[in-house]
Amino acid sequence: NAGVTQTPKFQVLKTGQSMTLQCAQDMNHNSMYWYRQDPGMGLRLIYYSASEGTTDKGEVPNGYNVSRLNKREFSLRLESAAPSQTSVYFCASSFTGRAGNEQFFGPGTRLTVL
Amino acid sequence: EDQVTQSPEALRLQEGESSSLNCSYTVSGLRGLFWYRQDPGKGPEFLFTLYSAGEEKEKERLKATLTKKESFLHITAPKPEDSATYLCAVQDSNSGYALNFGKGTSLLVTP
Repeated sequence: NAGVTQTPKFQVLKTGQSMTLQCAQDMNHNSMYWYRQDPGMGLRLIYYSASEGTTDKGEVPNGYNVSRLNKREFSLRLESAAPSQTSVYFCASSFTGRAGNEQFFGPGTRLTVL
Repeated sequence: EDQVTQSPEALRLQEGESSSLNCSYTVSGLRGLFWYRQDPGKGPEFLFTLYSAGEEKEKERLKATLTKKESFLHITAPKPEDSATYLCAVQDSNSGYALNFGKGTSLLVTP
């Protein structure tokens, strides 16, 4: 039982390049989330998917797209990376519809955009 | 306006010196309040969920409590391995199931 896995662990991009961050969970959770974490800002929600086939914007969605590929996988795409997207990205998952449904996080992807 | 405010930003304790971390929150309806621990270079690790005022939960040297406006994470006789950043998050019943995080308290416990 691996929990939430993310690839890659580290990535360096040049401004304007594109990339996809991958996330998978094996806990049979309905909901999946993408957050970014910046110094002094805390964790901020980018996008989430409450169930397979649905996605919704979070607090900071600009510059990102997501795909809920199936129940297990949720990817985050940067179409044209900008230095402001330098951050640590975390994927999380949870059950939907339960009060206080705790989210479980992956190990993160550390992205630098030059 | 921040929904979740954590204090202090940083705390340094001697091993065995008990203390508390604070999380103040503003929501229209609380669905749940969550505490996480985050070690450097790793993802947040779930600790507790609290649902209603008066509720308490314990795990080893940690005890979380909840009132209508704030939550405390009490650390009793801490050890160096308790050093980490502690994150508080709230789930507002008007905001679906997304979590709104505070900026965290960085705890250092010295031998």
